[in-house]
Amino acid sequence: LAKTTQPISMDSYEGQEVNITCSHNNIATNDYITWYQQFPSQGPRFIIQGYKTKVTNEVASLFIPADRKSSTLSLPRVSLSDTAVYYCLVGNSGYSTLTFGKGTMLLVSP
Amino acid sequence: ETGVTQTPRHLVMGMTNKKSLKCEQHLGHNAMYWYKQSAKKPLELMFVYSLEERVENNSVPSRFSPECPNSSHLFLHLHTLQPEDSALYLCASSQDQDGGTEAFFGQGTRLTVV
Repeated sequence: LAKTTQPISMDSYEGQEVNITCSHNNIATNDYITWYQQFPSQGPRFIIQGYKTKVTNEVASLFIPADRKSSTLSLPRVSLSDTAVYYCLVGNSGYSTLTFGKGTMLLVSP
Repeated sequence: ETGVTQTPRHLVMGMTNKKSLKCEQHLGHNAMYWYKQSAKKPLELMFVYSLEERVENNSVPSRFSPECPNSSHLFLHLHTLQPEDSALYLCASSQDQDGGTEAFFGQGTRLTVV
């Protein structure tokens, strides 16, 4: 399983762009990179997934450099409701794809 | 609403009790998962089922017994639990286990063992 490393916590203010970087130095050729968001006492929710370059959807962007050894989740103009734990997962099959690490606790303040 | 429903939402049980957690999905997914999340700890993957066959058993104690009677339902049978088993138990499902899969999680069952 590709090991991931994320910052334990990050602080931001409403309206700012937040970038959370995840390191995955031993990512395999066929591994995908997936990000989830989790609020307290709720199940995680899928945010975005990518394999290489850049992916964008209605809530976030995912930047993946050419070597794929890291990835950056970008949240534009965060609000208080974006306060949550964000997980970066790397894998190519259900078991490895859905093994969670410690995640990054994002706190958005007014 | 994610399409994955867990019942009950809250459960208090004694160490000698037997109870079951239920998970149901009607998303047409072929893979289902049980996770445990203790306070201030990462999610721990407990069991993986694919097409109703158990794929992974992540060294979970035998007091936790999963059952997958069909692709839409998943149970976690509990017996002689310990207080340290108190946690949020989450069920998830995904289309399959191939790369690029997106998992959908239920709201979880908050279990307290007394």
